Amino acid sequence: DAGVTQSPTHLIKTRGQQVTLRCSPKSGHDTVSWYQQALGQGPQFIFQYYEEEERQRGNFPDRFSGHQFPNYSSELNVNALLLGDSALYLCASSLQGTPNEKLFFGSGTQLSVL
Amino acid sequence: EDKVVQSPLSLVVHEGDTVTLNCSYEVTNFRSLLWYKQEKKAPTFLFMLTSSGIEKKSGRLSSILDKKELSSILNITATQTGDSAIYLCAVGRRSGYALNFGKGTSLLVTP
Repeated sequence: DAGVTQSPTHLIKTRGQQVTLRCSPKSGHDTVSWYQQALGQGPQFIFQYYEEEERQRGNFPDRFSGHQFPNYSSELNVNALLLGDSALYLCASSLQGTPNEKLFFGSGTQLSVL
Repeated sequence: EDKVVQSPLSLVVHEGDTVTLNCSYEVTNFRSLLWYKQEKKAPTFLFMLTSSGIEKKSGRLSSILDKKELSSILNITATQTGDSAIYLCAVGRRSGYALNFGKGTSLLVTP
């Protein structure tokens, strides 16, 4: 049973560039959430996708956008990268209708912005 | 604004010791409190608590919620080096899908 998979594992970009991170949810899950974890901090909610729609968004600027595909996989896009966007980006999946707080996390994408 | 505060932020103990990690919260429309263990990168689920006073146990780990005090504790008995990790506390609301995480407690268990 495949867990949550994310790609790439590491990424180095320069300021102003754009980045796309990818996530495949755990088998059987239909809901994907994205979190940003800065060094020494807890994960911060970016947004959640269900039925290919963004159904809740955290306190992140419009430079952060996402998408969910019919197979439930998801992408996180960040435009006009800033140094402060350097962080571990975690994808988490869950199944709608179950306690949806019980998230299964991937190993994340470590993004460094230079 | 919602708050989740964990203490201590870091802890060093010897193998065999018992540790207690704390989490306090101020959240509107509270629904649940969760504990995750983060080794390296991926947080893994430990417990979800929704009712006061009911202890959840898994091996040497246990946790309990006190909704009157707006807090929870995570106990680890007979610690092992493999317990070394960051322990994250998170709170979910009735209205919404986001989890609000604390900064975590970094636990180091030395041989």
